Amino acid sequence: GAGVSQSPRYKVAKRGQDVALRCDPISGHVSLFWYQQALGQGPEFLTYFQNEAQLDKSGLPSDRFFAERPEGSVSTLKIQRTQQEDSAVYLCASSSVGDTEAFFGQGTRLTVV
Amino acid sequence: KQEVTQIPAALSVPEGENLVLNCSFTDSAIYNLQWFRQDPGKGLTSLLLIQSSQREQTSGRLNASLDKSSGRSTLYIAASQPGDSATYLCAVKKYSGGGADGLTFGKGTHLIIQP
Repeated sequence: GAGVSQSPRYKVAKRGQDVALRCDPISGHVSLFWYQQALGQGPEFLTYFQNEAQLDKSGLPSDRFFAERPEGSVSTLKIQRTQQEDSAVYLCASSSVGDTEAFFGQGTRLTVV
Repeated sequence: KQEVTQIPAALSVPEGENLVLNCSFTDSAIYNLQWFRQDPGKGLTSLLLIQSSQREQTSGRLNASLDKSSGRSTLYIAASQPGDSATYLCAVKKYSGGGADGLTFGKGTHLIIQP
């Protein structure tokens, strides 16, 4: 596609509910990153994929967070048993290789009530 | 741990002024530095990417400089316009010897250009 696409754009979840956020990277991009952006803050790194391999998940805040990219293209970030502190914008970025310019999607705004 | 600081946190200036946004980082072992723009409720738009071996990059009215040894970058915006109003984010990617790492972001500078 022309750019990084994320869905849904907005998600309201009740506390304790599981959610799944989707990212479609730019076609052919090898590297894919997930970030979490709290209100008024800069994005913070969550996890990184190179093709289907998850090479770095050091930024995931707890074991309730899980990401996958089974075929090396679309990625899903799953949050189990959501808590209020999970409320944030989740951003996905892709690049042709790990060290080049990163292109971001519009983000998914998650609100846990 | 890399820390990125952006000054000022907020800035409001009249249209037409030239302005400078500042970014500093604590670990000079970076691979590149990227400036982004974020409009309310939107994702990030890449403005300029400076590789660690470069000193500056220019795109239209924007010019970004990098002084890696002192851990500083500046984004210069010439002849500001109301459409430049947004939050500007600075981010660095560390050098990892061929691997890839996520970006470390500052908190951003919230810019308002008054018509």
